[in-house]
Amino acid sequence: NAGVTQTPKFQVLKTGQSMTLQCAQDMNHNSMYWYRQDPGMGLRLIYYSASEGTTDKGEVPNGYNVSRLNKREFSLRLESAAPSQTSVYFCASSGARGVYEQYFGPGTRLTVT
Amino acid sequence: TQLLEQSPQFLSIQEGENLTVYCNSSSVFSSLQWYRQEPGEGPVLLVTVVTGGEVKKLKRLTFQFGDARKDSSLHITAAQTGDTGLYLCAGSPDSWGKLQFGAGTQVVVTP
Repeated sequence: NAGVTQTPKFQVLKTGQSMTLQCAQDMNHNSMYWYRQDPGMGLRLIYYSASEGTTDKGEVPNGYNVSRLNKREFSLRLESAAPSQTSVYFCASSGARGVYEQYFGPGTRLTVT
Repeated sequence: TQLLEQSPQFLSIQEGENLTVYCNSSSVFSSLQWYRQEPGEGPVLLVTVVTGGEVKKLKRLTFQFGDARKDSSLHITAAQTGDTGLYLCAGSPDSWGKLQFGAGTQVVVTP
């Protein structure tokens, strides 16, 4: 069982470049999430998708866009990368309504120079 | 602004000692979860507590949810080196499925 997979695992971008982070889950979960993790700040929600076809902003959405391609896949796009977006990005999914226990992917470590 | 405050931020103890990590908030949560994260990996769910006053045990780990559902604690008995990691608490303040995470407590257990 793969659970939640993310690609790529590492990425280095120059300021102004764009890229898409891919996420897929095989647990038939309705909800999917993108977080960023920075030292001392825990996990901050960027965007989430409560179900296929819907997306909504989280705490730190500026500079990002998302696409819920189907029930399995949820991608995060950086249109014009900035050094402030250097971070570790995690995708998560959740299936149970009411409790929302989340299952995380292994993360993408992004550096913007 | 962090809704959930974790303390301490860092804890270093020797194998065999006990430790407690706290997660506090001024907000009420419908449920609260604890995760452990190891270097280079994503967080892994340890437990979910949903009822005020609830106590759950997972081997040497004991989790408690406050009566008012605003705080929680994680107690580890006789810590082992394998308990080393970043412990994160997360709460669901509403019914929309979003979690608020604390900043985490880094626990280091040395032999």
